[in-house]
Amino acid sequence: GENVEQHPSTLSVQEGDSAVIKCTYSDSASNYFPWYKQELGKRPQLIIDIRSNVGEKKDQRIAVTLNKTAKHFSLHITETQPEDSAVYFCAASNYKLTFGKGTLLTVNP
Amino acid sequence: EAQVTQNPRYLITVTGKKLTVTCSQNMNHEYMSWYRQDPGLGLRQIYYSMNVEVTDKGDVPEGYKVSRKEKRNFPLILESPSPNQTSLYFCASSRGTSGGIGREQYFGPGTRLTVT
Repeated sequence: GENVEQHPSTLSVQEGDSAVIKCTYSDSASNYFPWYKQELGKRPQLIIDIRSNVGEKKDQRIAVTLNKTAKHFSLHITETQPEDSAVYFCAASNYKLTFGKGTLLTVNP
Repeated sequence: EAQVTQNPRYLITVTGKKLTVTCSQNMNHEYMSWYRQDPGLGLRQIYYSMNVEVTDKGDVPEGYKVSRKEKRNFPLILESPSPNQTSLYFCASSRGTSGGIGREQYFGPGTRLTVT
């Protein structure tokens, strides 16, 4: 089955800096790669996603890149703000959805 | 309001006592799924359903059952709960596509289950 590895498990940055979270996946059949943000005590919410026929996607301060050959994808957050502090999950999907173990991002004012 | 609802939100039960967690969505979504979330392990898919009467195992299906008799409902059944099923459970739904999920999953509020 699919295996998704996510790094780092914790990330601390200063407000205004950039944050990068990286994921690798194992199943070449995976074709959809979402990123979810989960604030403490809340449900996960989609922040950005990318499909296998696209290499990069950007939405304001958030961008995702996908390298299908290397089977890895990354989340980039620029100009981080304290409200970006949360746990971020990457995932890979065909019909099943497999999540990484999460990255706790802390943005220090 | 478009939403996914789960009931109950909190449940404490004893080993072996059958229970059902309900999940309902009002967005006419084809795809529904159950996940469990445990510290350090992230979210793991238990079962998913591509449409009515079509269900399949996720990564951690042991000890769970599901059914999809109606499009809007996708209950999770624990026939004989054990302490290792103590967890936070999320139901989610999305539009389906021919090639897989390919769409945003909308998550319910979560059900915190404790089995003693």
